[in-house]
Amino acid sequence: GQNIDQPTEMTATEGAIVQINCTYQTSGFNGLFWYQQHAGEAPTFLSYNVLDGLEEKGRFSSFLSRSKGYSYLLLKELQMKDSASYLCAVRDSNYQLIWGAGTKLIIKP
Amino acid sequence: ETGVTQTPRHLVMGMTNKKSLKCEQHLGHNAMYWYKQSAKKPLELMFVYSLEERVENNSVPSRFSPECPNSSHLFLHLHTLQPEDSALYLCASSQTLEPGELFFGEGSRLTVL
Repeated sequence: GQNIDQPTEMTATEGAIVQINCTYQTSGFNGLFWYQQHAGEAPTFLSYNVLDGLEEKGRFSSFLSRSKGYSYLLLKELQMKDSASYLCAVRDSNYQLIWGAGTKLIIKP
Repeated sequence: ETGVTQTPRHLVMGMTNKKSLKCEQHLGHNAMYWYKQSAKKPLELMFVYSLEERVENNSVPSRFSPECPNSSHLFLHLHTLQPEDSALYLCASSQTLEPGELFFGEGSRLTVL
């Protein structure tokens, strides 16, 4: 079966750096997405990786290794507003999106 | 106007009630989706519509009935639901059927008593 694993919850300190990992086993691969979802709000798109390497977008970066079935989302200079759930999703060979259960990130002062 | 709007935001219903969830997108997208989001579980795709035609039904019980009258509107009709159907129901849209970035609404929080 298809599976995406990410930690259920993480805690980090304001101003620090945190890395949220995502490992996947899917039928084929056509890209990996990260979404951010604040409590009670809509998930919003953060990043997309289809080739190996690091994609940087401001304080957020996303890394992909297709050979390892692995990605991470790196958040720098953490702010309180970064407290949210982060969802990893992989598009398989049929272009279906397979979702992880999300990682709840708690930022402490 | 926000891209994808869902109403109502909160809904409480008994198991014998009939209610509907509404979704409207103002992005000119061709594909629309219903997802179910339960606590600590992955998003579950329920239905997909492309250009008003249903293209996917992921083994969803018949007590959930979708309707897509035009490319901007999507409904989810609810009938004789079970308590385990309590969840957040998210509507999303994308430019094409092969989803790149999805644009989500804020969801309808459903509680079935």
